[in-house]
This record gives sequence, C-alpha cells and structure tokens, in this order.
Amino acid sequence: EVQLVETGGGLVQPGRSLKLSCVASGFTFNNYWMSWTRQAPGKGLEWVASITNSGGSTYYPDSVKGRFTISRDNAQNTLYLQMNSLRSEDTATYYCTRGDLVVPIDYWGQGVMVTVSS
Amino acid sequence: DIQMTQSPASLSASLEEIVTITCQASQDIGNWLSWYQQKPGKSPQLLIYGATSLADGVPSRFSGSRSGTQYSLKISRLQVEDIGIYYCLQAYSAPLTFGSGTKLEIK
Repeated sequence: EVQLVETGGGLVQPGRSLKLSCVASGFTFNNYWMSWTRQAPGKGLEWVASITNSGGSTYYPDSVKGRFTISRDNAQNTLYLQMNSLRSEDTATYYCTRGDLVVPIDYWGQGVMVTVSS
Repeated sequence: DIQMTQSPASLSASLEEIVTITCQASQDIGNWLSWYQQKPGKSPQLLIYGATSLADGVPSRFSGSRSGTQYSLKISRLQVEDIGIYYCLQAYSAPLTFGSGTKLEIK
C-alpha cells in the first residue's frame, strides 16, 4: 500500500523558515517523481514544486520560485520542502504527492498544515 | 501559463442522475489531463488520467472524455458517496495548473 506521511507543519511568523518532510513507503521511491501541492483554507489546489526521480531536476511556479526548495533523499525514502521567507499567503495544507511520466499526480498524503502569522 | 477553466462551480443533482463537469484548457494540452475527487476533510484522490483512463479502483460510472481543448468528467449514475469537490489538472507544461473546482451535492 502506498503511504505518504507528511510532518513538519505548524505556526510560523512571516519571513521565517520551515521545512516539511514526507516519508514514503509501499513503493520504490526512486522510480517516481515527487511533488508538493497546497490548499489554502477553503480554497482550491495549487501545485508548489516537483522533483524528478533522481533529484536532478526541480520545477516551481513563480509564486514560490526562489523561496521554496524541493529535495529528496532516495536512501531514506524521504521528500523535503524547505520554505523560506514565508508569507501569509503561504498558509495552507501542504500535500506530498507521487507521480510519473504517465500520471503526474496519483497518490496524495494526508497533508500537513502550515500557518504563517504573527 | 496554461489556464484551466472549470465549470460549473457548483452542482446539485439527484441520485442516479448523469452529471457532467468540464474543463476548458487555454491551449492544446493533448491528453495531459487528470481528474481528482476530494471528499470533505480528505485528501484528493485520482479518478481519471490521460484524459480518458480510469484509475485503479475507481467505479466504472466515472468516465473522462476530450473534444479538442475541452475535457469532461461524467458520472453516469450519481451515488451518495460521490459528493465532494472535483478538480481537473493539466500536466502538459509547467506550471501545472488545476481547475478551480466543482462542488457536487445531492439534491
């Protein structure tokens, strides 16, 4: 069974940093692209970052480019999202997701809440 | 960026009714279109990928179709467990973009 378990969320002040982790199990981690997608309270879904299976390439939308960094440790089956210079508009539930070249996002974690507020 | 215009924003339908949700892409995205269902308080789940392929374990009453740059999700016989919010996603090019969602309720 595919499992994606996110941790690291919480309350953080604007301008500060936070690092999310996602531990994957139930599949061969280094065979899949991984992504982060977020959902602000009561709002829709927004793609945040993707990383190739080897970790050699990363992709971001303009809204987080230069502030967020996605990375992975294939030996530990773990995905990360380093979030710097956080803003109130980054407040959301962050989902770890799995995908490949056929299905860009197939499985989702349960999500972790990040609240940016003073 | 590719825009995904999803309609309707909300929909109320009766049990056993046919329901159709559409997403219009702002440019050609081929078959790089997926559909997701998000039940209240839960994570989204994949329903359809490649515009028309049914994901594993998804009931056959769900189907996807494409006409040019318009994509549709059809539920052939609405069931009570189908309530939730439905999203489309284009993965033809970065940034990946979602539709704004369709909230489906039972009448």
